[in-house]
Amino acid sequence: NAGVTQTPKFQVLKTGQSMTLQCAQDMNHEYMSWYRQDPGMGLRLIHYSVGAGITDQGEVPNGYNVSRSTTEDFPLRLLSAAPSQTSVYFCASSSIGLAGGGEQYFGPGTRLTVT
Amino acid sequence: DQQVKQNSPSLSVQEGRISILNCDYTNSMFDYFLWYKKYPAEGPTFLISISSIKDKNEDGRFTVFLNKSAKHLSLHIVPSQPGDSAVYFCAASSRSSNTGKLIFGQGTTLQVKP
Repeated sequence: NAGVTQTPKFQVLKTGQSMTLQCAQDMNHEYMSWYRQDPGMGLRLIHYSVGAGITDQGEVPNGYNVSRSTTEDFPLRLLSAAPSQTSVYFCASSSIGLAGGGEQYFGPGTRLTVT
Repeated sequence: DQQVKQNSPSLSVQEGRISILNCDYTNSMFDYFLWYKKYPAEGPTFLISISSIKDKNEDGRFTVFLNKSAKHLSLHIVPSQPGDSAVYFCAASSRSSNTGKLIFGQGTTLQVKP
């Protein structure tokens, strides 16, 4: 199993550009999520999905879009990049429900810089 | 409104001694709590968890204590080792909501000195 994979590892964007961060998991997990990590702020939830076709907003959704067309993939789209979106982005997945435990498996992260 | 708070940004302990990391939460609906460990340039990895029906869970050198009345949990590492140096995040969820959603604290950077 590859677990949770993210591409790219690094990205530099200019203000106003758009891009998609890719995330895939091969554990057949229902739940997938995107976080951003900023100094002193911990991990903040951007968007999450409890299954294909179902997405919802987290704590900091503005400026980001997601879709979940398959169980495996959960891409994060930046529509018009801003310097405030400079961050490290993590994708995570888990099984859900009372039997799921809630332990999330994280990808290695994408370090994004917006100039 | 920070629902999960780790008020100590950093902690330094000597190898072999106990490390105690603290976490407070405000939402009474949280019923499951987790600790994650993160090394630089890697994603967080799950360390240990505890359900609200328990007040202690132990796994080797790691023990998590939960005080529901105080809305406080702590992670004890005994004995601490240099390889434990990392950022530790606590997280909380409401498993009864069945969404899998986790809310994380800000993290505490632990340095274990040889």
